[in-house]
Amino acid sequence: NAGVTQTPKFQVLKTGQSMTLQCAQDMNHNSMYWYRQDPGMGLRLIYYSASEGTTDKGEVPNGYNVSRLNKREFSLRLESAAPSQTSVYFCASRYGRTEAFFGQGTRLTVV
Amino acid sequence: GESVGLHLPTLSVQEGDNSIINCAYSNSASDYFIWYKQESGKGPQFIIDIRSNMDKRQGQRVTVLLNKTVKHLSLQIAATQPGDSAVYFCADNAGGTSYGKLTFGQGTILTVHP
Repeated sequence: NAGVTQTPKFQVLKTGQSMTLQCAQDMNHNSMYWYRQDPGMGLRLIYYSASEGTTDKGEVPNGYNVSRLNKREFSLRLESAAPSQTSVYFCASRYGRTEAFFGQGTRLTVV
Repeated sequence: GESVGLHLPTLSVQEGDNSIINCAYSNSASDYFIWYKQESGKGPQFIIDIRSNMDKRQGQRVTVLLNKTVKHLSLQIAATQPGDSAVYFCADNAGGTSYGKLTFGQGTILTVHP
């Protein structure tokens, strides 16, 4: 089992560029999440999808959009990247009210 | 838990000591709590969880205590080992209309000295 797979692992963007971070899980989980983690800090929830067909804002949604493409995939889009969005982005998934499984992260730098 | 954008607190212990890591949460409707361990350069890994109908749960070398009255969670690690050095986070699951929302606390850096 691959678990939660994030692509790309690393990315450098120029200010104003757009990009989509991809996340896929193969565990048949219904809920999926996007978090960001700044250096030396905790994880902050950007958006989540409690089930296929629904998405909700988390703590820090500004500047991001998400798409729950199907049960397996949940993408995060930056329409116009800003240096403040330099961070490590983690995708997670889980089934119901159980522990969430995390991907290995995408390290994004916006210059 | 709610991240408040502060740098992480630290805890230093000697190998073999017991460690206690604390976490406060703010949502009185939270009904499920998880502790995670994060090693450098990796995603968080599940350690142990507890539901709000319990006040204590034990795993292998770890115990989680939940005090709903003061909205406090703690993780106790017995006989701490150098391999336990990592950042530890608590997470809580909101109930009600925010079903499915999983938010993380601030985190604590644990350093174990041989």
